[in-house]
Amino acid sequence: DQQVKQNSPSLSVQEGRISILNCDYTNSMFDYFLWYKKYPAEGPTFLISISSIKDKNEDGRFTVFLNKSAKHLSLHIVPSQPGDSAVYFCAASVNYGQNFVFGPGTRLSVLP
Amino acid sequence: EPEVTQTPSHQVTQMGQEVILRCVPISNHLYFYWYRQILGQKVEFLVSFYNNEISEKSEIFDDQFSVERPDGSNFTLKIRSTKLEDSAMYFCASSDGQGGETQYFGPGTRLLVL
Repeated sequence: DQQVKQNSPSLSVQEGRISILNCDYTNSMFDYFLWYKKYPAEGPTFLISISSIKDKNEDGRFTVFLNKSAKHLSLHIVPSQPGDSAVYFCAASVNYGQNFVFGPGTRLSVLP
Repeated sequence: EPEVTQTPSHQVTQMGQEVILRCVPISNHLYFYWYRQILGQKVEFLVSFYNNEISEKSEIFDDQFSVERPDGSNFTLKIRSTKLEDSAMYFCASSDGQGGETQYFGPGTRLLVL
């Protein structure tokens, strides 16, 4: 039961260009969404969040967009840097709870 | 910078054995979590713990799992009778608030059940 989907297992982008990572969900009760970044041999690191009352949240080079009607969110990284190369997980919860459902991840490679 | 630590980094055990995975959360944090990631699959929430009791748990967290904060610094996950399918990377996390953005993850313990 894949409630949170990240349909692109990998993505390659040139340094300085925009990276767009996509996430789709099926559970309309999700109201809180997060993006995590994970380097090899490390635990996930929080990047940015968005609640269902907003459609956009921005933090430096990272912007998350939420389209509730399409049950879709995306993470934009601009400009992309080689240090952004990692696996990116989308996660969601109901009632701002702690039981996060994670997507399978997208491996981003930023090429110099 | 404070960090969550986990021991051991790797553990190999025989099926049916008990294992205890240990975590030292960030010292002023009040909320504690366990997640697991089976190789090649997504990160899965197991349990959250606050004020010395479980606050949320997933359907994965059945009777063979238990968590404990035996003292003021450690947070443990016990698997009573390990199964082959328990082989995974187990991540501990802690936070000072309830929001997911405040969670800091440890580096994980890789458990292999033979």
